[in-house]
Amino acid sequence: NAGVTQTPKFQVLKTGQSMTLQCAQDMNHEYMSWYRQDPGMGLRLIHYSVGAGITDQGEVPNGYNVSRSTTEDFPLRLLSAAPSQTSVYFCASTAGEGTDTQYFGPGTRLTVL
Amino acid sequence: TQLLEQSPQFLSIQEGENLTVYCNSSSVFSSLQWYRQEPGEGPVLLVTVVTGGEVKKLKRLTFQFGDARKDSSLHITAAQPGDTGLYLCAGGGNQFYFGTGTSLTVIP
Repeated sequence: NAGVTQTPKFQVLKTGQSMTLQCAQDMNHEYMSWYRQDPGMGLRLIHYSVGAGITDQGEVPNGYNVSRSTTEDFPLRLLSAAPSQTSVYFCASTAGEGTDTQYFGPGTRLTVL
Repeated sequence: TQLLEQSPQFLSIQEGENLTVYCNSSSVFSSLQWYRQEPGEGPVLLVTVVTGGEVKKLKRLTFQFGDARKDSSLHITAAQPGDTGLYLCAGGGNQFYFGTGTSLTVIP
């Protein structure tokens, strides 16, 4: 199993550009999440999904869209990038909620100029 | 507003010393998890605690969940350079809320 994979690993955007961060998992997990990590802030939940076709907002959803057309994939879209979205983005998956282990991808480091 | 506050934010100690990291919240969680993250990688789960007052041990690491399920602590005995990393707590339910993190450096 590859676990949770994310692409790209690094990305530089100009303000106003759009892009999609890819996330895939091969563990047949129902739950998937996107977090951003900023210095001194820990990880903050952007959006999450409890199964194919179902998504919901987390703590910091503004400026981001998600969709979950398959169990395996959970892409994160930045509609119009802003410097405040400069961060490290992590995708995670888990079999269920609460006590189950979250498996994290290696992260995407995004810089918005 | 951060639901989970961790202290200290930074900790630098000599190899062989003991240390405790704290994770505090005003909210009650159904479970609490501790993760360790190394530079350039995603967090990796160390332990999950679910019962108030629960204590779990993982080799030299001891984790405790507060009686009221609002706080937790991580104690490391005889720290080693390999323990260096960012330690994160996360309160769970339908979503996970992460703490601010404690960056630990163990000096050989």
